Amino acid sequence: AQSVSQHNHHVILSEAASLELGCNYSYGGTVNLFWYVQYPGQHLQLLLKYFSGDPLVKGIKGFEAEFIKSKFSFNLRKPSVQWSDTAEYFCAVNARGNAGNMLTFGGGTRLMVKP
Amino acid sequence: KAGVTQTPRYLIKTRGQQVTLSCSPISGHRSVSWYQQTPGQGLQFLFEYFSETQRNKGNFPGRFSGRQFSNSRSEMNVSTLELGDSALYLCASSLGDRGTDTQYFGPGTRLTVL
Repeated sequence: AQSVSQHNHHVILSEAASLELGCNYSYGGTVNLFWYVQYPGQHLQLLLKYFSGDPLVKGIKGFEAEFIKSKFSFNLRKPSVQWSDTAEYFCAVNARGNAGNMLTFGGGTRLMVKP
Repeated sequence: KAGVTQTPRYLIKTRGQQVTLSCSPISGHRSVSWYQQTPGQGLQFLFEYFSETQRNKGNFPGRFSGRQFSNSRSEMNVSTLELGDSALYLCASSLGDRGTDTQYFGPGTRLTVL
């Protein structure tokens, strides 16, 4: 069975600071990787995804993530955060061997950006 | 395109009752998945339906069930409600293709069990 861990449960940053949120997964096969964001009072939205190809993927709102296969990691980065980035961030994995969809989520990281 | 819609948005039930939640996927999407979100357990996969058949199932008791209709709309049912079933229930839809599928989430139904 696959599992996902997000190392930071709570992160507090000032505006313009750089962000890196860690995500590691446990699964021996090929995976699809996702980062979702949940803004206060809103539903889960897709930030970015990785299926194959260039391990550095760019998403919406200036976010990017790098897949490092040897480290089973898919860390999320943003060079300069804004107050509007305050939200909860979830890393998720879908094992390619599954027939269909069965996302396994990490525990989430609550990001607070101070103005 | 309209997004994933879920009804009702809020629900209050008492222990022992049963509840049915509804999900309408994005037009053209044939896969519907359900997830439970709680502060303690986070986001957990319940089950996935594709072409009216359950394709994947998470580790939940048999009190949790679902179905999908020919128009891809889905319902999930929880029987004999327990206090621990209080949660946000999320529905996600996707095209349903194997290998490279992206799920889009609805706003959820917040269920409170008293």
